[in-house]
Amino acid sequence: GENVEQHPSTLSVQEGDSAVIKCTYSDSASNYFPWYKQELGKRPQLIIDIRSNVGEKKDQRIAVTLNKTAKHFSLHITETQPEDSAVYFCAATHSGNTPLVFGKGTRLSVIA
Amino acid sequence: GAVVSQHPSWVICKSGTSVKIECRSLDFQATTMFWYRQFPKQSLMLMATSNEGSKATYEQGVEKDKFLINHASLTLSTLTVTSAHPEDSSFYICSARSLGNTIYFGEGSWLTVV
Repeated sequence: GENVEQHPSTLSVQEGDSAVIKCTYSDSASNYFPWYKQELGKRPQLIIDIRSNVGEKKDQRIAVTLNKTAKHFSLHITETQPEDSAVYFCAATHSGNTPLVFGKGTRLSVIA
Repeated sequence: GAVVSQHPSWVICKSGTSVKIECRSLDFQATTMFWYRQFPKQSLMLMATSNEGSKATYEQGVEKDKFLINHASLTLSTLTVTSAHPEDSSFYICSARSLGNTIYFGEGSWLTVV
């Protein structure tokens, strides 16, 4: 089955700097890679996703890149703000009745 | 957008009792729903895949007789934690995949077993 590795587990950046979180996956059949932001006690919130037919996607300060050959994908947050502080999870799945498999999460702290 | 509703949000139960958590897809039909468990400061771990009209598929290490899953309709899956113990205290969350292949999460349920 799918295995998703996520690094780093914790990340502290100064406000205004960029943050990068990296994930690798094992199942070459995976074709959908979402990123979630989760605040304590709440459901994960989808912040951006990418499908395997695309190499990069951007939404304002957030971007995701995908390298299918290397089986890794990354989240990039630019101009970080204190409200970006949260736990971020990457995940992978493929279509059909398959579940999301999550990475272990990255606790991002943006220091004002 | 599509919504998945989960109930209850919080539940406290005594050791040895059972508690049921409901997951509903409000505006789409979900033939498959997924149940996750999340311990504090950890990731979401898949417990089982709930299939409408058939038996759930459990992940390795998850006791099917303890975590009963029933997916009796296209909009409702239930997770019953039977003979609950304090170590079952956790955040339980469901998700459902819509026909458009988008994945939606319920609000999650905090279970505390005392």
